[in-house]
Amino acid sequence: DAGITQSPRHKVTETGTPVTLRCHQTENHRYMYWYRQDPGHGLRLIHYSYGVKDTDKGEVSDGYSVSRSKTEDFLLTLESATSSQTSVYFCAIANGQNTEAFFGQGTRLTVV
Amino acid sequence: QQPVQSPQAVILREGEDAVINCSSSKALYSVHWYRQKHGEAPVFLMILLKGGEQKGHEKISASFNEKKQQSSLYLTASQLSYSGTYFCGTERGGATNKLIFGTGTLLAVQP
Repeated sequence: DAGITQSPRHKVTETGTPVTLRCHQTENHRYMYWYRQDPGHGLRLIHYSYGVKDTDKGEVSDGYSVSRSKTEDFLLTLESATSSQTSVYFCAIANGQNTEAFFGQGTRLTVV
Repeated sequence: QQPVQSPQAVILREGEDAVINCSSSKALYSVHWYRQKHGEAPVFLMILLKGGEQKGHEKISASFNEKKQQSSLYLTASQLSYSGTYFCGTERGGATNKLIFGTGTLLAVQP
């Protein structure tokens, strides 16, 4: 199995609080992605990274920011959590174009 | 911008065949297929490349029509283990390698 871990695995937080999710990899893969999964919407790309300090927005980036200060870590921050951000968040990594992506186990976030 | 998959859901008996379609409004450079079991992470099945090269799974096949920007996944003689949600993913190409997934297709195989 690819070395990719997400933390925390579960979190309940209150509306208006900042939240940071962490994705850690031990594979030295260049590309890292954050997705959210909601019923009826499949996997939607939030932000992604194509190198250290190189990030770009995905389809649903409003309310989220990311940082990648080193190859192995990709952080997703909800600046002020809202109930609409209740979701399952997946991190994925890939080593290059046209190569398989590996997913973390997901983080279930509930905003109350 | 997100690829659209059809059908949204399908129920099969063991041994039956199924086709899952993936359609994009933008040019595709490659198409990925993944399967997700309930409560688990998506797992890679295969990649289809422009020009016809295919990397991946032994028992499940797929096609990629570059001109129509479509891909189809073929599951033949389905088994109970095929149950799950299937996602297509598309790469836009270029150095940033943006990888976008479709809306998903729920497949349930019954005995």
